[in-house]
Amino acid sequence: QQQVKQSPQSLIVQKGGISIINCAYENTAFDYFPWYQQFPGKGPALLIAIRPDVSEKKEGRFTISFNKSAKQFSLHIMDSQPGDSATYFCAARGNFGNEKLTFGTGTRLTIIP
Amino acid sequence: ETGVTQSPTHLIKTRGQQVTLRCSSQSGHNTVSWYQQALGQGPQFIFQYYREEENGRGNFPPRFSGLQFPNYSSELNVNALELDDSALYLCASSFSRMNTEAFFGQGTRLTVV
Repeated sequence: QQQVKQSPQSLIVQKGGISIINCAYENTAFDYFPWYQQFPGKGPALLIAIRPDVSEKKEGRFTISFNKSAKQFSLHIMDSQPGDSATYFCAARGNFGNEKLTFGTGTRLTIIP
Repeated sequence: ETGVTQSPTHLIKTRGQQVTLRCSSQSGHNTVSWYQQALGQGPQFIFQYYREEENGRGNFPPRFSGLQFPNYSSELNVNALELDDSALYLCASSFSRMNTEAFFGQGTRLTVV
């Protein structure tokens, strides 16, 4: 039972372009939405996170846009660089009593020169 | 680096055997969660320990068990290994059971033959 749907599965973006990854969720009890970046052979690294009372959060080149009514959120990477090439996972956390992180299936991002 | 360390990094076991994976949480963190990540998939929640007690479990059989010690380090034990148990096992620690800012270790790659 997949509660967080992520798309696209893979993405190729030119250097300097904008990378956009989308996620949708079903469980309205989710109350915290982090994004993780994972390089081959490494564990996921927390990139940026948002709570549903905020529609947008920006940290450097990374921005999360959140649409509570549509139950969707997305990661935007501005001025994408080759070093951003990695797999990105969105996740969602349940509220008290169910605090586990539920992950999307991942997006493999490749930035080409 | 997150300060979450896992051992061993790689492991090969035979079907039917038992395995113990270890995780040292980041200083100040009292919550440890374990995830299984199959190749090309997002991490799947196994269980979570908060102050030495299990406080959440995913859809995994009882042969997956765990333990958290007074120093908040943790072990994941898997009995009667099956071929499908081959995966990257990830440990994440956070400063509270709410998993805000959960930091992952580099994982243990388990191969069952």
